[in-house]
Amino acid sequence: GQQVMQIPQYQHVQEGEDFTTYCNSSTTLSNIQWYKQRPGGHPVFLIQLVKSGEVKKQKRLTFQFGEAKKNSSLHITATQTTDVGTYFCAGRSSNYQLIWGAGTKLIIKP
Amino acid sequence: KAGVTQTPRYLIKTRGQQVTLSCSPISGHRSVSWYQQTPGQGLQFLFEYFSETQRNKGNFPGRFSGRQFSNSRSEMNVSTLELGDSALYLCASSLFGLEGYTFGSGTRLTVV
Repeated sequence: GQQVMQIPQYQHVQEGEDFTTYCNSSTTLSNIQWYKQRPGGHPVFLIQLVKSGEVKKQKRLTFQFGEAKKNSSLHITATQTTDVGTYFCAGRSSNYQLIWGAGTKLIIKP
Repeated sequence: KAGVTQTPRYLIKTRGQQVTLSCSPISGHRSVSWYQQTPGQGLQFLFEYFSETQRNKGNFPGRFSGRQFSNSRSEMNVSTLELGDSALYLCASSLFGLEGYTFGSGTRLTVV
């Protein structure tokens, strides 16, 4: 079936370092969404990307959607302790279903 | 405006029992989705309802069912509970199911 692979599963960074998580789909996606889940919390919607090659920024966060609409990435510049959590991508397949990645847990080393 | 409300927040049930969880979406939102979240399995899609109709369904056994009412409120039911059903159950709503979803705080179900 359709899958969205998200890597890495975990990433440890020092505060101030950059962080990137990647999502790859086996099929072309209509759009892709990104969510953040803080420890003990629920997922919170960050952004939706729709266009091929789209790049969007939210302060220190940069989101990209690949030209083929099969991959996406989230990059955080100069991580802060408030960035801790698990980042999920969710791709919209051609049959409308939302397919979730397994998430990347961002851990910031003191 | 009020967010997505899930009740109850916590629930302890015995194996073999059944349980009903409730979700009130954001006012005006017509799409409601349900997810199961466990530490080892991430977010697993259960089903999505739109205007009282099930629009999509995940790969869960028939013991898991749901419904949506005319006011968009939704319930999910799990019958014949198993230990493996212990999880955080999350409800999420959106206007038409094409935009980003707003999640509730979840119901943490423990089956003993």
